[in-house]
Amino acid sequence: DAKTTQPPSMDCAEGRAANLPCNHSTISGNEYVYWYRQIHSQGPQYIIHGLKNNETNEMASLIITEDRKSSTLILPHATLRDTAVYYCIVRVEGNQGGKLIFGQGTELSVKP
Amino acid sequence: NAGVMQNPRHLVRRRGQEARLRCSPMKGHSHVYWYRQLPEEGLKFMVYLQKENIIDESGMPKERFSAEFPKEGPSILRIQQVVRGDSAAYFCASSPGIDSYEQYFGPGTRLTVT
Repeated sequence: DAKTTQPPSMDCAEGRAANLPCNHSTISGNEYVYWYRQIHSQGPQYIIHGLKNNETNEMASLIITEDRKSSTLILPHATLRDTAVYYCIVRVEGNQGGKLIFGQGTELSVKP
Repeated sequence: NAGVMQNPRHLVRRRGQEARLRCSPMKGHSHVYWYRQLPEEGLKFMVYLQKENIIDESGMPKERFSAEFPKEGPSILRIQQVVRGDSAAYFCASSPGIDSYEQYFGPGTRLTVT
């Protein structure tokens, strides 16, 4: 599985958009970009995933560059409850991809 | 539909004892993953199981650790002769099938070895 690079920490004001970057320059053609988050030592939670098109769901948007070497997770209106560690992971889709390989992630602090 | 259940939520063992961690996947899920999170560290994959089969155990320590997912009942992660370095949060995740893109995580079991 390809390796990802994320900033270790970020701050965001409550109500503003949080933009979390991820570099994955060695991503393969059949690998998807996944985002999970872990709130205060709870079990990780799936957020969103995509291959090459931008994706949006009720939680977030995922913007993937045309060359697929980087992506940005966008939380459009961050709340205090979005404070968490956010993990960017690349793997093939489905259980063929097997395990999730978690890096160090980005610790997002949403401040009032 | 209940989520992934893990028990116990907290487990204290003395050095040399055995620890048994249980994971009940979501209803209809036949794939189970175990991950470990050491204090102040990231999540590390341990083992991937389907019913009655170990698919990938590349993250399991070579000794003292074993996992099973029987035809009936929960998945069990067993740690024999625990040492202080085994103190960690152990998370279980489940997914329904080979094409599922999401792993659903349980709340974890916090193991403390004294």
